[in-house]
Amino acid sequence: TQLLEQSPQFLSIQEGENLTVYCNSSSVFSSLQWYRQEPGEGPVLLVTVVTGGEVKKLKRLTFQFGDARKDSSLHITAAQTGDTGLYLCASSNFGNEKLTFGTGTRLTIIP
Amino acid sequence: GAGVSQSPRYKVAKRGQDVALRCDPISGHVSLFWYQQALGQGPEFLTYFQNEAQLDKSGLPSDRFFAERPEGSVSTLKIQRTQQEDSAVYLCASSLSNKSAFFGQGTRLTVV
Repeated sequence: TQLLEQSPQFLSIQEGENLTVYCNSSSVFSSLQWYRQEPGEGPVLLVTVVTGGEVKKLKRLTFQFGDARKDSSLHITAAQTGDTGLYLCASSNFGNEKLTFGTGTRLTIIP
Repeated sequence: GAGVSQSPRYKVAKRGQDVALRCDPISGHVSLFWYQQALGQGPEFLTYFQNEAQLDKSGLPSDRFFAERPEGSVSTLKIQRTQQEDSAVYLCASSLSNKSAFFGQGTRLTVV
């Protein structure tokens, strides 16, 4: 079973600042997904990356997949209070749809 | 409905009681997953259905946990003789085959 480690576990920053969170594994991913989860809700998919070195942008969010497909990062520019939530990375094995989730980064944006 | 629907949203059970959690997936979604999320943790896989077939139940923590999807649509996760360590949020997700999964809001189970 792949283990996904996310860092930092907790992050609290002022509105307007930039931040980066990380997702790392010793195993190669076939694909990697980032989710945001708000209290009392299920995870909501933000992006899927499949190609080593891939960079995807979603408004102020930039997702990067490592060249070796063992790590990923999420960078948020000019954070807003609406970005507050639990950010989860998740991977699936080749030919298998079930997801293995990371430990999560709980992000708090202070107004 | 437009999304994955789970019921009840909250369930309090006395230790030893049996519970049943329901999931209504998005119409037409072939794949259905159950995950368990402990407080402050990421979700952990429990079981997976493709239509009515349970293809993977490797994540079920004990034989007290049982899941079914008899007609390939609605699924029920049953926990027998609940214990305190079963307290968690139980998430259901559905997808078209090999496509991204959509999650329900979850059922928060508290065993007292």
